[in-house]
This record gives sequence, structure tokens and C-alpha cells, in this order.
Amino acid sequence: GQNIDQPTEMTATEGAIVQINCTYQTSGFNGLFWYQQHAGEAPTFLSYNVLDGLEEKGRFSSFLSRSKGYSYLLLKELQMKDSASYLCAVGSNYQLIWGAGTKLIIKP
Amino acid sequence: DSGVTQTPKHLITATGQRVTLRCSPRSGDLSVYWYQQSLDQGLQFLIQYYNGEERAKGNILERFSAQQFPDLHSELNLSSLELGDSALYFCASSVGAMTRAVTSTDTQYFGPGTRLTVL
Repeated sequence: GQNIDQPTEMTATEGAIVQINCTYQTSGFNGLFWYQQHAGEAPTFLSYNVLDGLEEKGRFSSFLSRSKGYSYLLLKELQMKDSASYLCAVGSNYQLIWGAGTKLIIKP
Repeated sequence: DSGVTQTPKHLITATGQRVTLRCSPRSGDLSVYWYQQSLDQGLQFLIQYYNGEERAKGNILERFSAQQFPDLHSELNLSSLELGDSALYFCASSVGAMTRAVTSTDTQYFGPGTRLTVL
């Protein structure tokens, strides 16, 4: 079967660092996408990983290990505006398989 | 602003009615995807079109249908509406066709959504 697991909810403090994990079991793998979605708004693209390793984009970094079926999104210097859901999606055999998302709550 | 437009922004209608949601993709994008997102739920993929042709189908009900026109805009038709159809409906677009080898060209850019309320 096809399965993507993410924690349902996480809480972190403003200014801190948080790591959001995503594990996947899919019949094929052609890349992993991360999206941010604020409540009631559209998802916005954050990153795409197809090779193992860490990709950094400002305060956000995304890591992929294909052998472990594992990715994480690292958010540094957290700001209140980072409160949102973070969706992991895996490209596999003609489709994107979406995780249910992790709701990140930032506390002052 | 992703470059994807959707109309209308809000739609309120009654059970049993039919509505049409419209989407215009980003300039240069050939694929259009439709998603449904109920309150506090994940994204449910409905259907994809590529350059006018249906490409993939997800959990789309028989009461729902879609098409992509020659100018690449797309419409999602929802009929015999039920209370449970109340949701956010998103359209997304990408350059790629979402082939077996999904690549970065399949990155999807989402429109602002249409909030459908069925009373």
C-alpha cells in the first residue's frame, strides 16, 4: 500500500527550532515535496527533494533519506507566522501521495 | 500570489443544487488538479487534466465532473449537492504531466480556493 505518516500536531516556542518528520512507504519514489498551509488558505510550495541530503532555503531546510523512507522539515528562528500546517507529499507512479499534515503551533 | 486563479471565492447553495467552480492555471502550465479539503481534514485529490485530457482520477464522486478547455482553464461541476460536500475546493497547476517519473516540473501551485457551503 501507499502510506505517509506525519505527527498530527506539534508545539514550539517563538525563536526556537522545530523538526517535522515525514515517513513514507510507497510503491515507487520520485521525489518528496513539502508545503505550508495556513488555516483556510491554499497550500504553498516550500521544497522538493529527490536526492539524499539536506537542502537549505533561508530559515527552512528539508532533509531526505531514500533508504530509510524518511524526510524532515527543519524550521529555524521560529516566528508566529510559521503557525500553520505542513504537508508532506511523495511523487510515486503518476501521482502525488499526500500526508495528512502536521499542525504546528507557535507559542510566544 | 501563485498565479492560479479560482472563482468564485465563496459559494453558498442548497442541497440538491448544482454549481460550477472555475480555475485558470499559471501561464505556461498544462496540468490542472482539483482537490477537496473538508474542515480540519487533509487534501483529497479529485482529478487531474493535462492539456485538455483527463490524466488521473482520485476519489471523485460520480456526482462530480470536470473538464479542461482548449485555453487550459478548467471547471469542476458538482451536482445533487449534499451537506457533506461543504468544503474548500482547491485547484492547482503544474508544468509537467505527472508521468511515472515525477519530477520538479510536477510541483503544484495552488489557487486561493473556493469555499462551498451547502445548506
